[in-house]
Amino acid sequence: DTGVSQDPRHKITKRGQNVTFRCDPISEHNRLYWYRQTLGQGPEFLTYFQNEAQLEKSRLLSDRFSAERPKGSFSTLEIQRTEQGDSAMYLCASRPDQGYNTEAFFGQGTRLTVV
Amino acid sequence: ILNVEQSPQSLHVQEGDSTNFTCSFPSSNFYALHWYRWETAKSPEALFVMTLNGDEKKKGRISATLNTKEGYSYLYIKGSQPEDSATYLCAFEDYNNNDMRFGAGTRLTVKP
Repeated sequence: DTGVSQDPRHKITKRGQNVTFRCDPISEHNRLYWYRQTLGQGPEFLTYFQNEAQLEKSRLLSDRFSAERPKGSFSTLEIQRTEQGDSAMYLCASRPDQGYNTEAFFGQGTRLTVV
Repeated sequence: ILNVEQSPQSLHVQEGDSTNFTCSFPSSNFYALHWYRWETAKSPEALFVMTLNGDEKKKGRISATLNTKEGYSYLYIKGSQPEDSATYLCAFEDYNNNDMRFGAGTRLTVKP
């Protein structure tokens, strides 16, 4: 399977714990996005990488959230000191860097539940 | 702050009905407009990426139009089928940032 892969698919954690999610984009896709989606809402932009460079980060992202893409391939999203409001679906998407008319390919997401 | 708005929020139609949704987006700094279909328990899947004012795209029974000057796009589904039931998302790309900002989506339910 050469699609976007996210791990884990589901995560239940206690409030205050740290969690880390992984995204493996389609090979050779330069651009990588993280989104958060809650019930009844569309995907909410979190951050964007072009290769290993984090080019944009949402102002909505608190300092408890951090993302990395160390070698321009896979990416991790870490949430420190989780809160119940962090419960959501976390989506990753990748795109090739071939201009402006390229579609994004999404993973199946990681569903986080903070109890 | 970029606002991408979609209407209606949800829609229930009978099999065979034709339907359409609206996506409104900022008319300045336009770069591209995306449409995605998101079925339950699956990943969002791209339908169209539109870049030129007046553009029309078609994929089977689904088509889309784009008006960048007034900031809207329409998605049309002709002869809806139960398998069309999904959430339809649009996403706006800003010229300066190249990220994608999504609307809240239109949830379509097609009844047999």
